Amino acid sequence: KAGVTQTPRYLIKTRGQQVTLSCSPISGHRSVSWYQQTPGQGLQFLFEYFSETQRNKGNFPGRFSGRQFSNSRSEMNVSTLELGDSALYLCASSLNLLGGTDTQYFGPGTRLTVL
Amino acid sequence: AQKITQTQPGMFVQEKEAVTLDCTYDTSDPSYGLFWYKQPSSGEMIFLIYQGSYDQQNATEGRYSLNFQKARKSANLVISASQLGDSAMYFCAMREGRGGADGLTFGKGTHLIIQP
Repeated sequence: KAGVTQTPRYLIKTRGQQVTLSCSPISGHRSVSWYQQTPGQGLQFLFEYFSETQRNKGNFPGRFSGRQFSNSRSEMNVSTLELGDSALYLCASSLNLLGGTDTQYFGPGTRLTVL
Repeated sequence: AQKITQTQPGMFVQEKEAVTLDCTYDTSDPSYGLFWYKQPSSGEMIFLIYQGSYDQQNATEGRYSLNFQKARKSANLVISASQLGDSAMYFCAMREGRGGADGLTFGKGTHLIIQP
């Protein structure tokens, strides 16, 4: 079974621009989560989508948004990029099991550099 | 307050030795899951092992085992017979049962280097 795929793998943008990242989950997985990883803040939860609805959201400004399509593929968008948005953005998919048992499987990430 | 604490920023281990990576957690939710992930320099997070809060036995997956001590809120990862390919960052993570409202909460990680 194919794993989680993310495109693009690398991206360079300038301040003020916007960017869209894409994530295709493992076949059969209906939940998609996004995380930001930076050297200073570590891994931080951005948001989670299930059945095309945002279910949970981390503590990030409104410039960060996302959506999920009917085939469970997900996109995240960052508008008005800032230098501090430079990070590795990781997407994870899961079966959406109950409670804390839901194992998330991660994609290779998109490395965003903001100049 | 930090929910996941990994106290070892870096570790050097000789090849073929066993290694224990420490993880303590904090939650008031009786239902939660604990996870360990490996992140090589390529960046991808690789799932290693899972332990549920209600599981009676320690989880094992090949060379990986999880030493789960619920009363101490400890979930240490044990890698037996370490290999050069085990060199990577290792993250302990938790998801609470209340719908996992905050997604996975990660520790700061341990950088493991296996020496030949």
